[in-house]
Amino acid sequence: AQTVTQSQPEMSVQEAETVTLSCTYDTSENNYYLFWYKQPPSRQMILVIRQEAYKQQNATENRFSVNFQKAAKSFSLKISDSQLGDTAMYFCAPYYGGSQGNLIFGKGTKLSVKP
Amino acid sequence: DSGVTQTPKHLITATGQRVTLRCSPRSGDLSVYWYQQSLDQGLQFLIQYYNGEERAKGNILERFSAQQFPDLHSELNLSSLELGDSALYFCASGDRGGELFFGEGSRLTVL
Repeated sequence: AQTVTQSQPEMSVQEAETVTLSCTYDTSENNYYLFWYKQPPSRQMILVIRQEAYKQQNATENRFSVNFQKAAKSFSLKISDSQLGDTAMYFCAPYYGGSQGNLIFGKGTKLSVKP
Repeated sequence: DSGVTQTPKHLITATGQRVTLRCSPRSGDLSVYWYQQSLDQGLQFLIQYYNGEERAKGNILERFSAQQFPDLHSELNLSSLELGDSALYFCASGDRGGELFFGEGSRLTVL
């Protein structure tokens, strides 16, 4: 079975500082996509960032960037200059396509940004 | 606004009852996905439809069923409800390499 592990159930960071959320996954697939989704207290699921596994370059979206290590099956999310609005649950989610054509979510990391 | 519409937003019902959750995907998306999120848990994949056909099935209980209609909206039917079925049910759509757009969810409370 495809598994996703987010080893940090909860984290906190001071406003304006940097925090890294970890994610590892297990797959024998070679081509796939990786996503980080954010779920604030409103419960809305919001796409944060996307990475194609065939790309060596790490994806970046403003203050959000990833460290993708394909061989290690690791996909961490770095949030720079943390803001109070970043307080949320963060979910790592691989997508393998084909018969596994759905996002597989980790259990999430609860991030609190403190003023 | 993701473009995915779910109704109802909140639903309270009793054990043994049946409910129907409705989802309209983003304009142009052919795929609809249903996920269940129990309290403080991650999202569990239930089922996917693509252009009216079932494409993939996850851990969906036999008491649950879904369908996608010709106009591409989808319904998730939950029957013989149990207390443990209380959860947030998300619908999502998206046809581009796993990038899904989620509705706001339907919060089901079974008393």
